[in-house]
Amino acid sequence: EVQLLESGGGLVQPGGSLRLSCAASGFTFNTYAMSWVRQAPGKGLEWVSGISGSGISTYYADFVKGRFTISRDNSKSTLYLQMNSLRAEDTAVYYCAKGGSNYVRTFDYWGQGTLVTVSS
Amino acid sequence: EIVLTQSPGTLSLSPGERATLSCRASQSVSSSYLAWYQQKPGQAPRLLIYGALSRATGIPDRFSGSGSGTDFTLTISRLEPEDFAVYYCQQYGSSPAITFGQGTRLEIK
Repeated sequence: EVQLLESGGGLVQPGGSLRLSCAASGFTFNTYAMSWVRQAPGKGLEWVSGISGSGISTYYADFVKGRFTISRDNSKSTLYLQMNSLRAEDTAVYYCAKGGSNYVRTFDYWGQGTLVTVSS
Repeated sequence: EIVLTQSPGTLSLSPGERATLSCRASQSVSSSYLAWYQQKPGQAPRLLIYGALSRATGIPDRFSGSGSGTDFTLTISRLEPEDFAVYYCQQYGSSPAITFGQGTRLEIK
């Protein structure tokens, strides 16, 4: 059974940093792309960042380029999102999502999400 | 960036009725790389349809997808009580610049 468990969310001040983690199990982690997708309170879904199975290729939405860094540790089956220079508009539930292949395309399994609140 | 516009914003129907949800893209979605997700309150989204018309694993056959180019449709043939939720379309034709529609809320009439 595929399981994705996010952690690391919380309250942070504007300009601060936070690191999210997603522990994966139930599938061969290094053969699938992974992504982070967020959802602001009461709003729709926004793709944030994706990474290939090997970790060599990384991709970002324009609104986080230069501020967020995605990475993965395949030996630990864990996905990360390092978030720097956080803004109020980054407040959202952040979901870890498994790709359906080694390409960043569709998302066939999702974690339960972790809430990030950026506020002073 | 490909912008996806979903309509209607809210759809009010009764169980047993047929639901038709629309997703229009600002430019052609290559290779029909269009997916649909269902999200219920307090839950993560669930993949329903990929490649515009292929059902994901375990998705009932009352859900069907169609369309190509810039116009796509999700049809639920006979609504069950558990189908009332928010539905999102997502394009990955310009992957990795992935975008979602703003969602259609399907509510019980």
